[in-house]
Amino acid sequence: SYELTQPLAASVALGQTARITCGGNYIGGKNVHWYQQRPGQAPVLVVYNENDRPSGIPERFSGSTSGNTATLIISRVQAGDEADYYCHVWDYSTVVFGGGTKLTVL
Amino acid sequence: QLVQSGTEVRKPGESLKISCQVSGYTFTNYWIGWVRQMPGKGLEWMGSIYPGDSDTRYSPSFEGQVSFSVDKSISGAYLQWNGLKASDTAIYYCARLSGGGHHPFDLWGQGTLVTVSS
Repeated sequence: SYELTQPLAASVALGQTARITCGGNYIGGKNVHWYQQRPGQAPVLVVYNENDRPSGIPERFSGSTSGNTATLIISRVQAGDEADYYCHVWDYSTVVFGGGTKLTVL
Repeated sequence: QLVQSGTEVRKPGESLKISCQVSGYTFTNYWIGWVRQMPGKGLEWMGSIYPGDSDTRYSPSFEGQVSFSVDKSISGAYLQWNGLKASDTAIYYCARLSGGGHHPFDLWGQGTLVTVSS
C-alpha cells in the first residue's frame, strides 16, 4: 500500500519560513493536499492540488512538489500557525494521510 | 456545514451509531468521508459514502468493523459499530469531499469523541 512519510516535528522562528515535507513514491504525479489541525480542533484544508488555497486561507500558505517530496511552505510564520500538519493523496480510490508534523513556533 | 453528534461513552461489546448532520449544500452531490484520530495520533481514513446512491468504499483496515449509512430525507450521515472494542476509543470526524476522486476534504465536522471502557 502507498505510504506518505512526514517528519514528526519541525520548528521555526516567528516571522521566518517553515517548510514541512511529505515523502512518497512518485508523489509528484499525484494531487497533494495539506491540512492544519490546531490543538483540540478539527482539521482545516490549507492547500489543495499541490499549490491552490481555499478561500480564507492566507497567501502565506503555499506548496510545491519535486520528485518524491511534496512541501508545505508557510511564510512569515505567526504564533497561530503552531499546529499539526497532514499531507493527503489518493492512491487509486484510497485516501492516504501522512503521519503528521507538529510545527512549533519559537 | 457538518455538525456531529456529541460525546459517547460505551462499554466493550456495545453498539453505537454517531451522526453527521449536513447543511448549506446539496447533501446528495458530495461524498462524505469518515476519519479516525486515536488519542495523540494522526488521521486515518475509514472510508467514504456517496449520499446520492449510498455507494460505499471502506478502507481495508476498517472493512467489516464499521458501517456507513445516510438518511437523505434529513441530510444525515452515520457511522455505526455493532461490537465496540476499547481500541475504538478515538475522535471520529466526518468530512466532505470537494469533488470526485482525488479531491481534498474541504469541510469537516467538529468531531465526535467516543470512549469505550469497561
